[in-house]
Amino acid sequence: RKEVEQDPGPFNVPEGATVAFNCTYSNSASQSFFWYRQDCRKEPKLLMSVYSSGNEDGRFTAQLNRASQYISLLIRDSKLSDSATYLCVVTVSNDYKLSFGAGTTVTVRA
Amino acid sequence: DVKVTQSSRYLVKRTGEKVFLECVQDMDHENMFWYRQDPGLGLRLIYFSYDVKMKEKGDIPEGYSVSREKKERFSLILESASTNQTSMYLCASSLTEYSNQPQHFGDGTRLSIL
Repeated sequence: RKEVEQDPGPFNVPEGATVAFNCTYSNSASQSFFWYRQDCRKEPKLLMSVYSSGNEDGRFTAQLNRASQYISLLIRDSKLSDSATYLCVVTVSNDYKLSFGAGTTVTVRA
Repeated sequence: DVKVTQSSRYLVKRTGEKVFLECVQDMDHENMFWYRQDPGLGLRLIYFSYDVKMKEKGDIPEGYSVSREKKERFSLILESASTNQTSMYLCASSLTEYSNQPQHFGDGTRLSIL
């Protein structure tokens, strides 16, 4: 079983729509969680960290559910520029290593 | 802003060649990482380094070695390149050893082994 699993999508949504997707992780000792964004043929860039209580950054909301071992990302009022692959990243405390999901592709159409 | 620079965006080499991929970061980060990214598999860690001259194997170290002689530079070496090492290679750095520190990536090197 993969350490981090994501629905690859693609999620095709119109501009202005809300899109949400999850990521599940297998290691119950996981402590830190992130969402990265990767544009086509570019490097991953940190979108946001995910905190236990959930957090927002503008139109983006991240949630953590430790009991069910998943994190989620919700994008409100989608923009064309939100089209990208979103990578779920999980790490265990005191471990340098990040575990990456394979990514969820979102395409926002006009 | 953190800057992680990889020496080449695109590279084409032949089977059996020794290949060097270079990575430099300008923010005095302790940790540096080499990943490869393949469709459907996500990023897989090859090696990482938490200090000068220190290195640890990641998930897929076979066929690779690394060198970190200076804090800002982390090199990935393909000892004898093979076609299954055709991939996108990404270098990253992070400030400290704490797992809650995000990693900053270079632009990536698309390596093709013929």
